Amino acid sequence: AQSVTQLGSHVSVSEGALVLLRCNYSSSVPPYLFWYVQYPNQGLQLLLKYTTGATLVKGINGFEAEFKKSETSFHLTKPSAHMSDAAEYFCAVSDRAAGTASKLTFGTGTRLQVTL
Amino acid sequence: NAGVTQTPKFQVLKTGQSMTLQCAQDMNHEYMSWYRQDPGMGLRLIHYSVGAGITDQGEVPNGYNVSRSTTEDFPLRLLSAAPSQTSVYFCASSFSGTGNTGELFFGEGSRLTVL
Repeated sequence: AQSVTQLGSHVSVSEGALVLLRCNYSSSVPPYLFWYVQYPNQGLQLLLKYTTGATLVKGINGFEAEFKKSETSFHLTKPSAHMSDAAEYFCAVSDRAAGTASKLTFGTGTRLQVTL
Repeated sequence: NAGVTQTPKFQVLKTGQSMTLQCAQDMNHEYMSWYRQDPGMGLRLIHYSVGAGITDQGEVPNGYNVSRSTTEDFPLRLLSAAPSQTSVYFCASSFSGTGNTGELFFGEGSRLTVL
């Protein structure tokens, strides 16, 4: 069974500061890994995903994440936070089987607050 | 582009009532799924379908039924609503099969309150 742990249900940063949202996963097979963002009263939007190849993945809005197999981590970063980044962020994992690659398991989410 | 469309966006039910949450997608995706989102618990998979006529249970299926008669539609039925089913429900779809990398496309959610 797969699982995801997101450390910190709430993270607060100042505008212009580094954003670091932590995600650790557990999977018995090489995983697909995802970060989704949810703005208030909206659905989830894909930020980025890791499937294969380069372990540093770049996504939308200046976010990136690095897959570290030895640490079973997929932390999300952004060098400089903007007020518009305030949202809830979800890390998710799935396996690579064709029939279940879309069966994502989500973490509990991290709410990012950006202050002036 | 419509993408994944959910209706209704808001619904209030009394305990014991039944209702159906509708989900439709226009991307010809084989895979469709329903999640519920509760504070502090993230999203949990209720049911999913890998194609018309094929459905299976997820992590929290009790109290919910689904069917998949067409590729486009995947309704979620609450047979006898309970307060524990108060939640925000998301429908999501995906390409499936060889080459699938798992990315889900989400609807905007349906907020259900059971009194």
